[in-house]
Amino acid sequence: EPEVTQTPSHQVTQMGQEVILRCVPISNHLYFYWYRQILGQKVEFLVSFYNNEISEKSEIFDDQFSVERPDGSNFTLKIRSTKLEDSAMYFCASSVRAGGPGHEQFFGPGTRLTVL
Amino acid sequence: QQPVQSPQAVILREGEDAVINCSSSKALYSVHWYRQKHGEAPVFLMILLKGGEQKGHEKISASFNEKKQQSSLYLTASQLSYSGTYFCGTETRGYQKVTFGIGTKLQVIP
Repeated sequence: EPEVTQTPSHQVTQMGQEVILRCVPISNHLYFYWYRQILGQKVEFLVSFYNNEISEKSEIFDDQFSVERPDGSNFTLKIRSTKLEDSAMYFCASSVRAGGPGHEQFFGPGTRLTVL
Repeated sequence: QQPVQSPQAVILREGEDAVINCSSSKALYSVHWYRQKHGEAPVFLMILLKGGEQKGHEKISASFNEKKQQSSLYLTASQLSYSGTYFCGTETRGYQKVTFGIGTKLQVIP
């Protein structure tokens, strides 16, 4: 069964450093998402991406964050200068569509980001 | 605005039933239900579109009352594998982000 994959599974970085989290969405999916989940809390939407551009972003997704689809398979989230409060589990998800049937999102296993 | 889930936590014995509720202060286009086990990614259960439909997934079903802006997830004859945190996610219109609630922690004990 096709699945979303993410690398690395765990990333430790120093405050102020740049990190890139990588995702490979399911191959026939067209819509891609990044979510964040701070330990023990809810899943928070960061950004959605379609047709090589951002469709929607949350207030969390400020200028420190960027997303890219550098090739036909990868979808990346870059955090330019990490802060302590960026420590969280980051999930990538993908869906066939963005509304109605087909909007079900399939999540990757997540990357745990720890900022020291 | 995030949907409100209730209860926040529930403990069941195997075989018992549970209902998890999700409500919104805004008109809803769709409701999504996911289950997340500890340390794992959320797993899609079902999506309900406005129209009041009810869907089923094995012994887990859900309803959506668009007039009341509410959805309920029904777990019948619970199994140990049902343990986890259940999130509802809502869209207020199509082609929009899904906003998740804080989740309901469900624990099924023998």
